[in-house]
Amino acid sequence: QSVLTQPPSVSAAPGQRVTISCSGSNSNIGNNYVSWYQQLPGTAPILLIYDNNKRPSGIPDRFSASKSGTSATLGITGLQTGDEADYHCATWDSSLSALVFGGGTKLTVL
Amino acid sequence: EVQLVQSGAEVKKPEESLKISCKGSGYIFTTYWIGWVRQVPGKGLEWMGIIHPGDSDTRYSPSFRGQVTISADKSISTAYLQWSSLRASDTAIYYCARPRNEYELVHFDYWGQGTLVTVSS
Repeated sequence: QSVLTQPPSVSAAPGQRVTISCSGSNSNIGNNYVSWYQQLPGTAPILLIYDNNKRPSGIPDRFSASKSGTSATLGITGLQTGDEADYHCATWDSSLSALVFGGGTKLTVL
Repeated sequence: EVQLVQSGAEVKKPEESLKISCKGSGYIFTTYWIGWVRQVPGKGLEWMGIIHPGDSDTRYSPSFRGQVTISADKSISTAYLQWSSLRASDTAIYYCARPRNEYELVHFDYWGQGTLVTVSS
């Protein structure tokens, strides 16, 4: 059971927009920065978003994110088949003194 | 170019010991934390802990404290994850990862390729 809750799967058509939610509590999302990772099949995760909504260099602006209260959301616009991957949210949990991840969301581009 | 290169896949029996490695290059190894993340096949990511190679300050997830040992040898820019007695439930891919800057313990922007550990009798 992950500390952060994500939907197991989402799907959308190429060119469309999709959002992925990540729900937590005051001890984690509510008071700490959130990051998002993309994990393509069989590969290591890639940092997509840090500090709630910042993109590392090289990450397209099709990827965006926001945080409100104890929830965070990743948005992907202009979906491409190459976006099919697992997406993971993460943040520090002040009560556990540990980095916690969501269970991951599998994105299917139909 | 920053790189984290991990040791190869391992197949071990229950109760055996194991130490896997993660060698950093392309940056000053002693100034960045190095974390370890577990991924059971088909499951999500789990943070195990993190070490600062400069002073060996180590933090563990409550879920993994006492189950593994994280260490580092700064003379050869290598971090380690070790088990004294493996269990079948330790079967997973283990990643090492480095945060974006020297002051963070989170937001990993460089990852090793992963080490698959299989524990089976």
